[in-house]
Amino acid sequence: DTGVSQDPRHKITKRGQNVTFRCDPISEHNRLYWYRQTLGQGPEFLTYFQNEAQLEKSRLLSDRFSAERPKGSFSTLEIQRTEQGDSAMYLCASSFDSFEQYFGPGTRLTVT
Amino acid sequence: QKEVEQDPGPLSVPEGAIVSLNCTYSNSAFQYFMWYRQYSRKGPELLMYTYSSGNKEDGRFTAQVDKSSKYISLFIRDSQPSDSATYLCAMKPGTASKLTFGTGTRLQVTL
Repeated sequence: DTGVSQDPRHKITKRGQNVTFRCDPISEHNRLYWYRQTLGQGPEFLTYFQNEAQLEKSRLLSDRFSAERPKGSFSTLEIQRTEQGDSAMYLCASSFDSFEQYFGPGTRLTVT
Repeated sequence: QKEVEQDPGPLSVPEGAIVSLNCTYSNSAFQYFMWYRQYSRKGPELLMYTYSSGNKEDGRFTAQVDKSSKYISLFIRDSQPSDSATYLCAMKPGTASKLTFGTGTRLQVTL
């Protein structure tokens, strides 16, 4: 399967712990995006990379959130000192330039 | 007011019906319009991708964009129980990267 993959699929953590998610985009795609989706809502944009450069960040991305794409391939999203409000589905998508965005299966985070 | 408005439903139709799903938007800069299907606890799956106004057909799916009214639609013909899912509209200006989504409409196709 050559689609977008995300790991882990589910993560349960206690408030205050740090978590890290990984996204592997479609291999020929140079852009990679992170979105967050809460129950009953559409995905909300967090940030995106073109190759290894992080070009845009949403105001939703507080100082506790950091994303990297070190070699322009896979990306990681880290949340430090998790809060209950961080519980959501974290979605990764990729595209070639500004064309269609294809999403991965998501990582469901539950903060207890 | 949200930039993209979408009725959350649920919308329940019998198998074989024609389904009409709609979104309205306020940002006149939006030029690219997409429809995604999302099954429960899964990632969104791209169904249709259109540019500017007009119609686009792909199998049982037809996407319509009316930029003058800031209104987009997705029609599903001969609906099947497997079409039961949440349908999300999304849009973006020009070459911008950020997609703005509606809340999604939950569709239930019954036997």
